[in-house]
Amino acid sequence: DAKTTQPPSMDCAEGRAANLPCNHSTISGNEYVYWYRQIHSQGPQYIIHGLKNNETNEMASLIITEDRKSSTLILPHATLRDTAVYYCIVRVGGFTGGSEKLVFGKGTKLTVNP
Amino acid sequence: GAVVSQHPSWVICKSGTSVKIECRSLDFQATTMFWYRQFPKQSLMLMATSNEGSKATYEQGVEKDKFLINHASLTLSTLTVTSAHPEDSSFYICSARWGGYNTEAFFGQGTRLTVV
Repeated sequence: DAKTTQPPSMDCAEGRAANLPCNHSTISGNEYVYWYRQIHSQGPQYIIHGLKNNETNEMASLIITEDRKSSTLILPHATLRDTAVYYCIVRVGGFTGGSEKLVFGKGTKLTVNP
Repeated sequence: GAVVSQHPSWVICKSGTSVKIECRSLDFQATTMFWYRQFPKQSLMLMATSNEGSKATYEQGVEKDKFLINHASLTLSTLTVTSAHPEDSSFYICSARWGGYNTEAFFGQGTRLTVV
């Protein structure tokens, strides 16, 4: 089972920053936090992932607390096209490559309003 | 990001027939592929994990004789739903990854299966 907790839904105004929280209090020291999103009737889209340092790419920023028990995905300037279900996932499985699984929880449905 | 392509995007089949769904990694070699199923308004449920050249590992509760997975090459995995029934109607999604522990997985666009 997924080891993350996310709010079921959030709203955000277009052009404002969207901050999506995720709790992963049982995360192990070498487990990564991954974020994906799924727009209706499409396959999930990779956004970003991190271990303990904050990460930023062209899509978003990932802020991980120092104790690694929670993280926040930040979409700096949300647009209507960012409306989707956002999944925070902790990578489970072995450490030698190959069969590590991504187990999805229920995610957060983000609605960006005009 | 890398491209994973599924075919077909949607399929309608008669109850009792079998349906094959293909998943291809177009610009990388996928050492591992995953198959998920998603029912309306629900999250993705992992069905099985397959490594190239090996038998798939199925999640608990997934019938391996009903959902046949083949990962014969580093760029192709197939999921065959055998003797499909209306309750198998769902959104099937594949995912592919290269490399090891810290590599992201990329997803196909999904296949909508309707069994009538």
